[in-house]
Amino acid sequence: DAKTTQPPSMDCAEGRAANLPCNHSTISGNEYVYWYRQIHSQGPQYIIHGLKNNETNEMASLIITEDRKSSTLILPHATLRDTAVYYCIVRPRGAGNMLTFGGGTRLMVKP
Amino acid sequence: NAGVTQTPKFQVLKTGQSMTLQCAQDMNHEYMSWYRQDPGMGLRLIHYSVGAGITDQGEVPNGYNVSRSTTEDFPLRLLSAAPSQTSVYFCASSFVKDRTYGYTFGSGTRLTVV
Repeated sequence: DAKTTQPPSMDCAEGRAANLPCNHSTISGNEYVYWYRQIHSQGPQYIIHGLKNNETNEMASLIITEDRKSSTLILPHATLRDTAVYYCIVRPRGAGNMLTFGGGTRLMVKP
Repeated sequence: NAGVTQTPKFQVLKTGQSMTLQCAQDMNHEYMSWYRQDPGMGLRLIHYSVGAGITDQGEVPNGYNVSRSTTEDFPLRLLSAAPSQTSVYFCASSFVKDRTYGYTFGSGTRLTVV
């Protein structure tokens, strides 16, 4: 299974862009990169996913490097409500729908 | 559209007691799963199911049983509760065939075993 590596914590000023990195150097060609977040012990919330092209939705943008070994989740204008733990997940090949959660990055958005 | 509903939200058990955590979804998702989250940790997969009548073990299945008699429901049974099972339990569901579809999680059951 492809593993992911994320910094344990990050700070961001309110209104600024939050850039959350993720390393997945062993990712396979048909594995997607997913991002979820968990706000204060609530159930995790799906944010975005991608295969090899950059993706954008109403919540965030996902930038995947050309070699697919790393990605960055971008929250363009972070608010206090974006304070959460952000998980970068690679869906393992042959494991059906299972998602394996690592430690994630605890993002603190400060006024 | 309620999504994924978990009951109860909170529960305190004595060591050795048994109980069932309920999970129901109304989105016609084939895939359902149970995770546990210990304080300050990520989520760990307990059991999962890809459809009615089909279940399989995840990363930490010991001490738990599941069954899937309908598409909508996926209960998690604690056979003999232990303090090590104190945790927050999350149920999640998704479609099986669409590998790009995101999970929908319930709001969690906070279980304390004393």
